[in-house]
Parts: sequence; C-alpha cells; structure tokens
Amino acid sequence: EPEVTQTPSHQVTQMGQEVILRCVPISNHLYFYWYRQILGQKVEFLVSFYNNEISEKSEIFDDQFSVERPDGSNFTLKIRSTKLEDSAMYFCASSETSGGPGETQYFGPGTRLLVL
Amino acid sequence: SQKIEQNSEALNIQEGKTATLTCNYTNYSPAYLQWYRQDPGRGPVFLLLIRENEKEKRKERLKVTFDTTLKQSLFHITASQPADSATYLCAFPSYSSASKIIFGSGTRLSIRP
Repeated sequence: EPEVTQTPSHQVTQMGQEVILRCVPISNHLYFYWYRQILGQKVEFLVSFYNNEISEKSEIFDDQFSVERPDGSNFTLKIRSTKLEDSAMYFCASSETSGGPGETQYFGPGTRLLVL
Repeated sequence: SQKIEQNSEALNIQEGKTATLTCNYTNYSPAYLQWYRQDPGRGPVFLLLIRENEKEKRKERLKVTFDTTLKQSLFHITASQPADSATYLCAFPSYSSASKIIFGSGTRLSIRP
C-alpha cells in the first residue's frame, strides 16, 4: 500500500541553524500538508500546498518557515533559523483531493526535531 | 473561534468491553468529522469519516455517530482488544479552509487483558 515517507526520522540541531525536513507524498496525490506536534500537545496544522503554491497557512507558519516542491516527488519544509520552541514532531501528509467530504489525508511517520 | 474537545484524556477498560470516546465541538458546524488513531511516536492514521447528514458510520468493530444538535461525535470500539490501545483523535475541517484540519487533543485508550 502506498505511503508517505519522511526523512530524517530524527534531527538534532543548534538554535539558529537552518533545517530542511523532507517528505515524499503518495505519488498520485496533489495536495500536501505539514503539521507539527509538540510533545504532549495537539497535532497542529502548519501549511497546505497545491499546484506549487501555498493554499493555506496557520499563524505558526511565519517567515522562518517555507515549503517547496523541488521536483516531482519531494516536498520539503525549511525552518530558516530554528528556535528552542520549534522542537516538535513534524508530520507531512498528502491527499488526492482537498476539502471535500471524501478527503482523507495520509500522514507520514514524522520527523522528530530537537533544537538545542 | 471553533473549538474541538475530547472529554477524556485517558480511558482504561477491560478487554472485550466497548470503549466509547467523546468529541464535542463549539462555534462551528463542520460538514464532516474524522477520527484518527495515533500510536506513540507515529503519525495519525485515518479511521473513519462521517458527514453531517449521516447519523452513524460503521467499519468492522468501529462505530461513529454524529449528532449535529448536540454538536457531538461518539467513537465506539466494540469487543476491544489490547491492540486497540492508542490515542484516538477527533478532527474536522476549519471553517476558514476545508484543507486545514483541526485536531482535538486526543483520548489515550488503554485496553487491559
């Protein structure tokens, strides 16, 4: 069964450094998403992406964050200058459609980011 | 603003019993509602979607109800098994954008043998 994959599974970085989290969505999906989950807290929406542009973003997704689909398979989340509070699990998701009652988002296994 | 609440942080029940989890929402009437399972250190896994015009949805041992008057969804697992132990998340699309999914904080379910 097709699945969303994410790399790396764990990332440790120093505060102020840039990190890039990578995702390979399911191949025939057109909509891509990033979520984060701080330890012990809710899964929070960060951004959705369709047709090579951001379609929706949350207040968390400030200028330090960016997303890109550099080729036909990868979808990346970049954090330009990491802060301690960026430490969280980051999930990528993809879906065939968006917004309809039939939509199902498929989540990847996550990247655990630790900022020291 | 729209709020989604899952009443119990944790629920412990005996194997074989029916587990019932509650999801309440306010300030919004979503067109549909979803339930996900999340295991520790893993991503959410979609289980069921129920539309606003559906009262009940079933999938194997799972049953979801959606009461738009009470603004509540109930998630049932019948004949529960230790393998059902996980955190269960309720979610629905934001009023501002259907592609933005709002998650509840989850209920951690433990099934003891």
